[in-house]
Amino acid sequence: SQQGEEDPQALSIQEGENATMNCSYKTSINNLQWYRQNSGRGLVHLILIRSNEREKHSGRLRVTLDTSKKSSSLLITASRAADTASYFCATALTGTASKLTFGTGTRLQVTL
Amino acid sequence: GAVVSQHPSRVICKSGTSVKIECRSLDFQATTMFWYRQFPKKSLMLMATSNEGSKATYEQGVEKDKFLINHASLTLSTLTVTSAHPEDSSFYICSARELGDAYNSPLHFGNGTRLTVT
Repeated sequence: SQQGEEDPQALSIQEGENATMNCSYKTSINNLQWYRQNSGRGLVHLILIRSNEREKHSGRLRVTLDTSKKSSSLLITASRAADTASYFCATALTGTASKLTFGTGTRLQVTL
Repeated sequence: GAVVSQHPSRVICKSGTSVKIECRSLDFQATTMFWYRQFPKKSLMLMATSNEGSKATYEQGVEKDKFLINHASLTLSTLTVTSAHPEDSSFYICSARELGDAYNSPLHFGNGTRLTVT
């Protein structure tokens, strides 16, 4: 079964705008990770946030984690057309560190 | 670094035949590799965890005799879809994690294999 649900399912913005995607999960986690997938390709790891962390930055990416609400958000600032892709959150459940369960994904479209 | 190569990228086969997909970690060793299946515009569903030198661990509902996994070395895992049927048509993706801290390290993914069974 799906551990994570992402919201929105699809997002269309213009270049330069910020994009925010949300992920909710159901059970205790060791960490939460965000991945990006271009159409027909494999996934690329973006950022990992541990369960004891609340916020993390990497370039134009900002990830927050609220374990009390079992939710995370991914913010992409100053979006570019090249950011067009699907974005997935993935959780490593407590006690099953090596196995990741993926969310439903957000399809981001950035237009010029 | 941390490159995972998956081959082939696309394969078309006839119903009843078997197809082998290879997943190689090119510049790191991986005792564990994961095989996922993805339907169009859907998320990744974990099929099995491939363990070097031992039997794979399959997720509930995945037929181990249908999807044979072999992890013969620290850099190679293979998935064989046996007696393929059209409903096996899908996008299969492998991933691997470098040896070390399993709790805080990401997965590295291959580029996937698009299987079409006619």
